[in-house]
Amino acid sequence: SQQGEEDPQALSIQEGENATMNCSYKTSINNLQWYRQNSGRGLVHLILIRSNEREKHSGRLRVTLDTSKKSSSLLITASRAADTASYFCATDGAGGTSYGKLTFGQGTILTVHP
Amino acid sequence: GAGVSQSPSNKVTEKGKDVELRCDPISGHTALYWYRQSLGQGLEFLIYFQGNSAPDKSGLPSDRFSAERTGGSVSTLTIQRTQQEDSAVYLCASSLEPRDTQYFGPGTRLTVL
Repeated sequence: SQQGEEDPQALSIQEGENATMNCSYKTSINNLQWYRQNSGRGLVHLILIRSNEREKHSGRLRVTLDTSKKSSSLLITASRAADTASYFCATDGAGGTSYGKLTFGQGTILTVHP
Repeated sequence: GAGVSQSPSNKVTEKGKDVELRCDPISGHTALYWYRQSLGQGLEFLIYFQGNSAPDKSGLPSDRFSAERTGGSVSTLTIQRTQQEDSAVYLCASSLEPRDTQYFGPGTRLTVL
C-alpha cells in the first residue's frame, strides 16, 4: 500500500518559475526522502530529512517536514527544462521493524517548458 | 565511486520460465533493498538484506519469488515460473547502514510474454 500521497499528480510550469510538490503520509516516520526519476528508470536521491528536522536545503531544492500534519513539501526554485521528471516522496516508518524499507507515494510528474 | 549496478538492463521472457536478476551494491554498503515498479502498483518494497540475512521478506508477492545475497555484496532476485503480472521494472538500492540514504540502481525492465 502507498503510505505517501502526493499532490499535485502533475505540474506544468515555465522555466524560471518555482515548483512546489506536497506529500502526505499516514504513520509515524523515522525519515522522509525525496527522489527524482527520469524516463521510468533509476531513482536519483535528492534529500533525506529526519523526523526531528523541519527544513533542509540542497542547491535549488528546499524540503520542509511537518510531523504534526504528517506532511512534507519539496520546492524547486528557478526551475529548468532539465528538472522535467517524476518526483517521489518515500517514508521510512518509525519503529524497530521497518529496517529502513521505503514506502513510496504515487509521484508528481513535473514538466518545465523552455 | 561506482554506484549500484543491475543486470540485465532488459529481460524479455516467456510465461513459465525462470529469471534471475542481479544487483551489485555500492562497496561497503551493508543494507540492500529490492523494489519493483509497475504501472498499476507504483513502487513497492520486496525484500531487505542486512549483510547476508534477510530479516524482512514481507514484500515478496508469492513463493515464486526468492532472493539471496552472498559475501555481503551481490544479490540475486529469482522469479520462478514467471507470469505476465510479474512484468515490471525491478529496482535495487543499497545504503551504508539501515535507515540511511538509499542509492538506487538503474533497474531491470522485465517483460513476460
